[in-house]
Amino acid sequence: DAKTTQPTSMDCAEGRAANLPCNHSTISGNEYVYWYRQIHSQGPQYIIHGLKNNETNEMASLIITEDRKSSTLILPHATLRDTAVYYCIVSGYSTLTFGKGTMLLVSP
Amino acid sequence: GAVVSQHPSWVICKSGTSVKIECRSLDFQATTMFWYRQFPKQSLMLMATSNEGSKATYEQGVEKDKFLINHASLTLSTLTVTSAHPEDSSFYICSARRGTSPTDTQYFGPGTRLTVL
Repeated sequence: DAKTTQPTSMDCAEGRAANLPCNHSTISGNEYVYWYRQIHSQGPQYIIHGLKNNETNEMASLIITEDRKSSTLILPHATLRDTAVYYCIVSGYSTLTFGKGTMLLVSP
Repeated sequence: GAVVSQHPSWVICKSGTSVKIECRSLDFQATTMFWYRQFPKQSLMLMATSNEGSKATYEQGVEKDKFLINHASLTLSTLTVTSAHPEDSSFYICSARRGTSPTDTQYFGPGTRLTVL
C-alpha cells in the first residue's frame, strides 16, 4: 500500500470547517483513499472513501487532487464530538495499514 | 446499517488463562473479518485476516498458536488469546468487510480492552 503523510495535530473552532490534508504521492492507479477516525478508546469509524472523483456523504467531503497525489477531508461544521484521530489510508487490497493519523481538536 | 459488535467490551484475567473475544456483524454478512491490536498511544496493528470457513492468515510476528481465530459463520469471528500474559494486555479491535471485493469498506467493532494480571 502507498504511504501517507498527515500532520500530527490540528485545531479547529467549533462550527467552522475542518480541512484535514493527506499526501499520498506514491498512490497506484487501483488504490483507493479511505478516511477513518478514532475517538478515544473506541474502534475506528468509517468516514468516506474515493478513487479519483470527489465524494460527499452525510459526514464529510473528500477532495482528491487530479493527480491523486493528495487529498483533503472536509468536515463542514465541526463539533466538539468531532475531536478524534483521523486516519488517511491508501489501499487497493484487503488490508488497511494505519499510520499515526492527525489528532483533530475541536474547541468551543 | 453496517454495525459490528464485540463482546466483551473489557475483560480482566489472570496470567496463564485463556480469553475469547467475539466479533459479530449485526446487519450484514462478512466473508472476511480482520483482527487488530492497539497498544497505548500507538496506532492499530493488523494481527490476522480471517475468511469464513478457512484458516486465518496471520501477519508476520503474530503467533498463530497463541491467538486462535475462528470464523465459523458469515456473521461471527472469534479471537482466543491462549495462556495470556501481561504483555498481551491491549485493545483488541475487529473489523468486518461488507462485500466480497477487496476494496469494499471495512467496518470496525468498538474494541475489547484486555488486562492480564
